[in-house]
Amino acid sequence: EAGVTQFPSHSVIEKGQTVTLRCDPISGHDNLYWYRRVMGKEIKFLLHFVKESKQDESGMPNNRFLAERTGGTYSTLKVQPAELEDSGVYFCASSQVQFRAGGYGYTFGSGTRLTVV
Amino acid sequence: GQNIDQPTEMTATEGAIVQINCTYQTSGFNGLFWYQQHAGEAPTFLSYNVLDGLEEKGRFSSFLSRSKGYSYLLLKELQMKDSASYLCAGDSWGKLQFGAGTQVVVTP
Repeated sequence: EAGVTQFPSHSVIEKGQTVTLRCDPISGHDNLYWYRRVMGKEIKFLLHFVKESKQDESGMPNNRFLAERTGGTYSTLKVQPAELEDSGVYFCASSQVQFRAGGYGYTFGSGTRLTVV
Repeated sequence: GQNIDQPTEMTATEGAIVQINCTYQTSGFNGLFWYQQHAGEAPTFLSYNVLDGLEEKGRFSSFLSRSKGYSYLLLKELQMKDSASYLCAGDSWGKLQFGAGTQVVVTP
């Protein structure tokens, strides 16, 4: 099966601009997650969709970040306006169920490296 | 929060064994994952422990002690391709909390 796909792989934008990241989860995976790794820090949770609904958005840093998952398939994460501290690698992950003990857990995409200059 | 601590870097020679320790606060996690991540690539699943004890999967084994808030990943018969970052992550109902990762360097 195809894995989790993220687009673009890299993005360089100027401070104040808008960027939209896209994630295509594995087909049939109702659960979709966004994570972010800022330089030198650990990967941190941003939010979790179950189908098209936001289950948990406690990790979203501020209201400059907007995530959507219309139709419960792919998801977008928009940053508007981008600030320097938003630079990092944004990962998307998907899973078939929310909690799957002993299974293959969460499948991650390769990430989008965002650089704000 | 649930701090997750793991060493920053470990170096070992090809064919050797390396054990990566991970400690965390003892409440809030359903289980513990280990992921491998090569530079610029997606983290890939290695193991998941929900019960205490050792889970063996080929050259990789993972151990969990929930009461002690302790896990380790054991890599045996190291190969050059095992050079990567190894991430310990606690699972709290779909929300993973990651450690900063341990960079393993395998030398010839």
